[in-house]
Amino acid sequence: DADVTQTPRNRITKTGKRIMLECSQTKGHDRMYWYRQDPGLGLRLIYYSFDVKDINKGEISDGYSVSRQAQAKFSLSLESAIPNQTALYFCATSEDGTGYGYTFGSGTRLTVV
Amino acid sequence: QKEVEQDPGPLSVPEGAIVSLNCTYSNSAFQYFMWYRQYSRKGPELLMYTYSSGNKEDGRFTAQVDKSSKYISLFIRDSQPSDSATYLCAMSVPRGATNKLIFGTGTLLAVQP
Repeated sequence: DADVTQTPRNRITKTGKRIMLECSQTKGHDRMYWYRQDPGLGLRLIYYSFDVKDINKGEISDGYSVSRQAQAKFSLSLESAIPNQTALYFCATSEDGTGYGYTFGSGTRLTVV
Repeated sequence: QKEVEQDPGPLSVPEGAIVSLNCTYSNSAFQYFMWYRQYSRKGPELLMYTYSSGNKEDGRFTAQVDKSSKYISLFIRDSQPSDSATYLCAMSVPRGATNKLIFGTGTLLAVQP
């Protein structure tokens, strides 16, 4: 099994729909992250969590919410999806806060039509 | 001005060539410098990281950091078709209890057999 598993791998949804992307990890790390990747913009941080009780906004959190259900599970929700949220979404985990050694999942390709 | 600048490419080289990938940055507070490799339909994976100026070698890969010029490089010797991927530079700077990680937009590399 992969260290970081994301579901679904691909999703097409309609504007205005609520959608949840799920992430689970087997690394045993406390820190988890959600990024989105867009061509020409690179990876941008949406939310991050240091533990189950600690959730923080990243640089582009508007329109998104998260839930840390357990140390191993971190979900990202789009309450009312819009077309400019079409992107590749990655979950990641890390052992510490130095900024290196992130383990990423394989991503969810989300298309909002 | 972006904090991290990276030429998006694409860069196409013949098998066996030496590849040079580069990033420039503007924030002199960056401490850790990383290179991630991302294959198509996969998440980024850490290739190398360095903490200070100088060179670090790992097999066919050499990471170079020049803090005085705010310039980092990744060299790939004897490039192979399996090296074809997008290469992302990343840098981290302390932000309170953790480090803020900034990614470049990535350079797409194609190694032709």
